[in-house]
Amino acid sequence: EDQVTQSPEALRLQEGESSSLNCSYTVSGLRGLFWYRQDPGKGPEFLFTLYSAGEEKEKERLKATLTKKESFLHITAPKPEDSATYLCAVQESQGGSEKLVFGKGTKLTVNP
Amino acid sequence: DTGVSQNPRHKITKRGQNVTFRCDPISEHNRLYWYRQTLGQGPEFLTYFQNEAQLEKSRLLSDRFSAERPKGSFSTLEIQRTEQGDSAMYLCASSQSPHTGELFFGEGSRLTVL
Repeated sequence: EDQVTQSPEALRLQEGESSSLNCSYTVSGLRGLFWYRQDPGKGPEFLFTLYSAGEEKEKERLKATLTKKESFLHITAPKPEDSATYLCAVQESQGGSEKLVFGKGTKLTVNP
Repeated sequence: DTGVSQNPRHKITKRGQNVTFRCDPISEHNRLYWYRQTLGQGPEFLTYFQNEAQLEKSRLLSDRFSAERPKGSFSTLEIQRTEQGDSAMYLCASSQSPHTGELFFGEGSRLTVL
C-alpha cells in the first residue's frame, strides 16, 4: 500500500526565515512525486512534478528536491503570502493507476 | 478559460437524502478526477474518467456513489442515501495527457450531512 508522510504537521516562520518541509514516501515504483499548495476553502494548486532521484525544480522562493525515499520543499526567505498548506502526492508506476496518493500536508504560517 | 468549475459550492442535506454534484473541467482536458477531502487530511482518490469512459474507481467507493461523464464533457457525482460520514469536501480536477499528475482542481463542493 502506497504511503505518504509529511512533516512537520504545522510550521510557523517569521518572514525571511528559510526552512524545509519533508515528504517521505513508500511506493513500489515511482511514476512521479507532486507538490501542491492549498489555501483555506480552495482546491489544491499544482506546484511541481519530480520524476527521479536527484531532480530539482524551482519556482520563486520554492525549491523541490527528490531522493529515493523522500522529497523536500525548501522555502527561501518566505513572505506572509506563502502561508498555506503544502501537500505532497505520489503516483505509482506499476498497475497503470492514475490516482495520486496524498499526504496530510504541512500547514505553513509565515508571520510578518 | 475560467478553470474547473464545481456546483453547488455548499450543500447541506439530511441523512438518507440523495445529492448530486456537477463538475465542468477545463475544456481541452480529456481527463477528469473526483477526490474527497476531510478536515486535516489530504485529498483521497474516488474515480477517474478519460473522455466519457470511467477507467478507475477506488475500492473505498461504496455502491452509494456513482459518477458519470456523458459525452466526455461535464461530470456528475451522485451520493445516494447519504450518511453523516459522507460529510466532506468533494473536489473535481482535470488534466491533459501526458501530464497526468498535474491536476487542475476546482474549488470543491462542501457537503454537510445532518
